[in-house]
Amino acid sequence: DGGITQSPKYLFRKEGQNVTLSCEQNLNHDAMYWYRQDPGQGLRLIYYSQIVNDFQKGDIAEGYSVSREKKESFPLTVTSAQKNPTAFYLCASARGRGTGELFFGEGSRLTVL
Amino acid sequence: KQEVTQIPAALSVPEGENLVLNCSFTDSAIYNLQWFRQDPGKGLTSLLLIQSSQREQTSGRLNASLDKSSGRSTLYIAASQPGDSATYLCAVEGFQKLVFGTGTRLLVSP
Repeated sequence: DGGITQSPKYLFRKEGQNVTLSCEQNLNHDAMYWYRQDPGQGLRLIYYSQIVNDFQKGDIAEGYSVSREKKESFPLTVTSAQKNPTAFYLCASARGRGTGELFFGEGSRLTVL
Repeated sequence: KQEVTQIPAALSVPEGENLVLNCSFTDSAIYNLQWFRQDPGKGLTSLLLIQSSQREQTSGRLNASLDKSSGRSTLYIAASQPGDSATYLCAVEGFQKLVFGTGTRLLVSP
């Protein structure tokens, strides 16, 4: 079955540690996105990538980093510079920007202890 | 800057009712509008996608309409069921990327 796989589903981190969230898709989509969701707020875009080896900052990129070395993979690293990292993180993909339907993974919940 | 608003924030109805969820946006220069469903602790599932040139889309008991000139979209759910209970989000894609509303939390009681 085609889809997007995020891992881990739950992650606990001590302050000062970097963590990497995995996102893999087998939909052959060019565009991939990372969103953050906080209670009572809409989804906010962290980073997006329209093609391999290229990515752009979204609205809240500070404290995060990404890479796009393969079409299928778009990992997100939450660095120690992110002041409030506890949140629900969602990865999504689409054939391309403006081309329609967005598909989401099941999300990763990060808690900083 | 595109802003997307969804009203109401929460809605509780008895099973069987027809209901309407609203989504409004401030910039009519959009590529498309998409409605999603989110169950607690889960990712988003796409329900309907309306391209900017379209007026509505239908899937089963769901019907979504789009009025670009007034900056509005509605999601109509016919004969609601307890399994429809979830948060419904709309998202507008334009030059300023994809912007999400904060959602409407729907509870359908048996």
